[in-house]
Amino acid sequence: QLQLQESGPGLMKPSETLSLTCTVSGGFISSSSYYWGWIRQPPGKGLEWIGMIYYDGTTYYNPSLKSRVTISVETSKNQFSLKLSSVTAADTAVYYCARRSSESEGNWFDPWGQGTLVTVSS
Amino acid sequence: EIVLTQSPGTLSVSPGERATLSCRASQSVNSDYLAWYQQKPGQAPRLLIYGASSRATGIPDRFSGRGSGTDFTLTISRLEPEDFAVYYCQQYDTFGPGTKVDIE
Repeated sequence: QLQLQESGPGLMKPSETLSLTCTVSGGFISSSSYYWGWIRQPPGKGLEWIGMIYYDGTTYYNPSLKSRVTISVETSKNQFSLKLSSVTAADTAVYYCARRSSESEGNWFDPWGQGTLVTVSS
Repeated sequence: EIVLTQSPGTLSVSPGERATLSCRASQSVNSDYLAWYQQKPGQAPRLLIYGASSRATGIPDRFSGRGSGTDFTLTISRLEPEDFAVYYCQQYDTFGPGTKVDIE
């Protein structure tokens, strides 16, 4: 079945650029009808959508993060990536990647990766 | 921007009992776009319900969803030990704050 796995550094310093990759297995990232998204969850808090990408490179970002976020896709590697610039302690969170269905199917997220904790600390 | 409010914040229930969770939208939403997720400690969220009332693959039938307009509910008919978790509703790119279901 489709699986997603996040990878990237777990500890960062303020002002650095967070860089995470999500590797998709058991299916193709170039499948139509699906987007590929990033969601984060600060410790003990709720879920925040960061953004998503279609296999053709079309992106959508959370307006509150848009100035700092870049999501890209590499179909040949079945991967998509997140970059978040100028991180602060407020960006400390578990970062999840997930498949997002199209609007016609309901915009749900499934499946999710296991998540990776990114801590921003000096 | 639509805001989702979930109530109660915490629901204390005994195993075998029924749990009813509420998700209210700040304005009317298309029920086709309302989903529910379950999250256990240390795990990623899992899709339970999409389209307000359709169970995702592999979800037991003790989970049911209903609603329209601004008011949606997730019902767990008979709580099993593995159902104690946090539940989130979602519409488009907005998540509710979650309801924690814990053991009474």
